[in-house]
Amino acid sequence: GQQLNQSPQSMFIQEGEDVSMNCTSSSIFNTWLWYKQDPGEGPVLLIALYKAGELTSNGRLTAQFGITRKDSFLNISASIPSDVGIYFCAGRSGGYQKVTFGIGTKLQVIP
Amino acid sequence: KAGVTQTPRYLIKTRGQQVTLSCSPISGHRSVSWYQQTPGQGLQFLFEYFSETQRNKGNFPGRFSGRQFSNSRSEMNVSTLELGDSALYLCASSYETGSEQYFGPGTRLTVT
Repeated sequence: GQQLNQSPQSMFIQEGEDVSMNCTSSSIFNTWLWYKQDPGEGPVLLIALYKAGELTSNGRLTAQFGITRKDSFLNISASIPSDVGIYFCAGRSGGYQKVTFGIGTKLQVIP
Repeated sequence: KAGVTQTPRYLIKTRGQQVTLSCSPISGHRSVSWYQQTPGQGLQFLFEYFSETQRNKGNFPGRFSGRQFSNSRSEMNVSTLELGDSALYLCASSYETGSEQYFGPGTRLTVT
C-alpha cells in the first residue's frame, strides 16, 4: 500500500525561527495536503496542493508540491507559540482514492 | 454552520465488548470518513461512506464496520474489542469524495 515518510517526527525551536518539514512517498499523489492538530482537537486543513510544482502560501505557511509528485514540504516562518501542535502531511492519488496520512511532526516552540 | 460532531467524546470499555461511535457531518456534506489515530501509527484510514454506500475501505479487520444513514450521519462499530483498539477515532466530513475534509474532535476509546 501507499506509504508516507514524514520528517522530522519532532522539533523544538525558538520563537521567531523558521521551520521546515517534509514528506516523501513511495508512489505518486495527485493531491498533497497539510493539516495541523491541536491537543484534544481534530486536524484542521492548512494548505492543499493540486499540481506538481505548485507553491502555495497561507500567511506564514508555505507548502510546495514536488515535481516528481512523490514529495511535499511545509515551511513556517517566524514561529510563534500558537504554532505548537502536530503537523500532518497527507496525499491522495485521485478520483475516489482514500487519503493517506504521514505519521506527523510534533512542533514545540520555546518562547 | 455547525461543525462535525462526534459522540461520545470519551469511552471506556473492556476487552470482548463492542462499541458504537456516532458522527454527524456538516450540513450538506454527504461523505463521511473514519480514521483511527494512535501515537505510533498516526492516522489510519478505516472507511468512507457516501450517500449510504461504502466507497473506500482501509486495511482493518472485519471487527470494524460502519454505516451511513439517509441524513448522512454515520456510525462505526467495533466488535470483540481488543486492548490494541484503544485510540482516538476521528470522523471527517466533506461535500464529495476528494473535496476538503473537516474533522470532528474525535472519540477517545480506552479498552481495559
